[in-house]
Amino acid sequence: NAGVTQTPKFQVLKTGQSMTLQCAQDMNHNSMYWYRQDPGMGLRLIYYSASEGTTDKGEVPNGYNVSRLNKREFSLRLESAAPSQTSVYFCASSAGFSEGTEAFFGQGTRLTVV
Amino acid sequence: GENVEQHPSTLSVQEGDSAVIKCTYSDSASNYFPWYKQELGKRPQLIIDIRSNVGEKKDQRIAVTLNKTAKHFSLHITETQPEDSAVYFCAARREYGNKLVFGAGTILRVKS
Repeated sequence: NAGVTQTPKFQVLKTGQSMTLQCAQDMNHNSMYWYRQDPGMGLRLIYYSASEGTTDKGEVPNGYNVSRLNKREFSLRLESAAPSQTSVYFCASSAGFSEGTEAFFGQGTRLTVV
Repeated sequence: GENVEQHPSTLSVQEGDSAVIKCTYSDSASNYFPWYKQELGKRPQLIIDIRSNVGEKKDQRIAVTLNKTAKHFSLHITETQPEDSAVYFCAARREYGNKLVFGAGTILRVKS
């Protein structure tokens, strides 16, 4: 049981390049999330998907797009990377509220944009 | 939308003392309040949570209290140990929509 798996773990991009962060969970969870973590800023929600087929903006969605490919997978795309997007990115998933609400996190992706 | 404020940003305590971290939330529809611990270089992990129909919950040295009227909740750690040193995050979530919003975190240092 792998839980939440993110790829890649590390990435260096040049300004203007694009990339997709992949996330997959094997817990049959309905909800999935993308957060970025910056020093002193905590975990800020970029986008989330309450259930398969839906996505919604979080606190800091500008410069990102997401795709809920199926129930297992939720990807985050940077179309034109900027230095301000240098951060650690975490994917998380959780079951529906009535079934248990703990959010499980992936191991994180450390992204540097130069 | 929901806004979660967390205080203090850093907290240093002596081993054996208690530590208290406080959070306030803005959305009165939020009804689930988890606390996460993140050790250096690792992912956040749930340590305790509380739903809005409960005022207090304990798990060994950790407790969480909730005041729905004032829209604030707190984490209490008693008899702190060096291994409690980490970053702690509070969060709030609505039942419907499942949007989970975190506070900015508290760096807890336990000095031995």
